[in-house]
Amino acid sequence: GAVVSQHPSWVICKSGTSVKIECRSLDFQATTMFWYRQFPKQSLMLMATSNEGSKATYEQGVEKDKFLINHASLTLSTLTVTSAHPEDSSFYICSATYQETQYFGPGTRLLVL
Amino acid sequence: EDKVVQSPLSLVVHEGDTVTLNCSYEVTNFRSLLWYKQEKKAPTFLFMLTSSGIEKKSGRLSSILDKKELFSILNITATQTGDSAIYLCAPSGNTGKLIFGQGTTLQVKP
Repeated sequence: GAVVSQHPSWVICKSGTSVKIECRSLDFQATTMFWYRQFPKQSLMLMATSNEGSKATYEQGVEKDKFLINHASLTLSTLTVTSAHPEDSSFYICSATYQETQYFGPGTRLLVL
Repeated sequence: EDKVVQSPLSLVVHEGDTVTLNCSYEVTNFRSLLWYKQEKKAPTFLFMLTSSGIEKKSGRLSSILDKKELFSILNITATQTGDSAIYLCAPSGNTGKLIFGQGTTLQVKP
């Protein structure tokens, strides 16, 4: 139990385009999901908390208009990186809470050219 | 401000050695502390600790929490090369958010 999937696992896009990443809880319902970003050799940085049926809560310094989060159902949250630039290239990871434990998806590697 | 400090930052051992990874924390309204293992992908869950002094064990891995002294340790006995990874300690408060330390990079040599 407590499996979280992400899609796509990697994506390469041109600067200026938008990229959507999906996070799904496969065998449980998650009212709360979290989105993280991890740069090479650094720890995970929380970007935002995604709440089903309401607006996401963003961490300080994270632009909500650039990183759009939608949590439309109890098993799906999406992160859209709008007008992506090379500095947005990173490893994006989601997590979902099951029985007070956060389980992570496998992550999405984004490369913006 | 909430903070987590893990030590050592990196460690190189040989197969069969025992290692102890440390995590000290300061978190407002502490609820639990989680340990994760991260290889090339996203972190995988190891343990969740909520009470002091109760050891959690899974195979060669074990962990314990001290809520008075605000630290936790993760032990790995009879290490194998497959234990090579970054080990992350992440306490949480009542918001449910995890606060991550820098991680300890463990390399186990054959």
